Amino acid sequence: DQQVKQNSPSLSVQEGRISILNCDYTNSMFDYFLWYKKYPAEGPTFLISISSIKDKNEDGRFTVFLNKSAKHLSLHIVPSQPGDSAVYFCAAGTPGNTPLVFGKGTRLSVIA
Amino acid sequence: DTAVSQTPKYLVTQMGNDKSIKCEQNLGHDTMYWYKQDSKKFLKIMFSYNNKELIINETVPNRFSPKSPDKAHLNLHINSLELGDSAVYFCASSQGGGLETQYFGPGTRLLVL
Repeated sequence: DQQVKQNSPSLSVQEGRISILNCDYTNSMFDYFLWYKKYPAEGPTFLISISSIKDKNEDGRFTVFLNKSAKHLSLHIVPSQPGDSAVYFCAAGTPGNTPLVFGKGTRLSVIA
Repeated sequence: DTAVSQTPKYLVTQMGNDKSIKCEQNLGHDTMYWYKQDSKKFLKIMFSYNNKELIINETVPNRFSPKSPDKAHLNLHINSLELGDSAVYFCASSQGGGLETQYFGPGTRLLVL
């Protein structure tokens, strides 16, 4: 029962172009969404988040868009850089001490 | 000055053995977690402790027993290891629970033969 789905296991993008990573969720109780980035042999690191009261949050080259009616969010990276090559995890949560639910991750390769 | 550290980084052991993984955070956080990333790459929470008290225990076999001697440490002891326990185990911490940003350790790669 995957409550958070990242249907693309991998994505390749040329340096300088836009990377778009997608995430779908099924639980309408989720009201907070996060993206984590993971390099090989390291733990995930927090990248950007968005709460359900917003539909967009921007931080430098990273923008997360939330479409609540479609239960879909996406992470845009522009311009993409080789150092962005990593696995990106989408996660969703609800207030209180309920655990975050993570997707399987999408491996992004930015080609120079 | 690693924020969340785990030892060992790699662990290869035989079925039936008992092993422990240690986790320490120097961020002053109140909440610590253990996650398991299995072969299908899902990152799933196992346990969450807040100020040394168990908050979340997600359908994990009794062979897994977390221990929090103080709020900076959360160790994971696994009894009678099985092949299916092979995975990467991540420790994490956050200031408060819920939706606070979690900081992850580098992971412990466990292989059970």
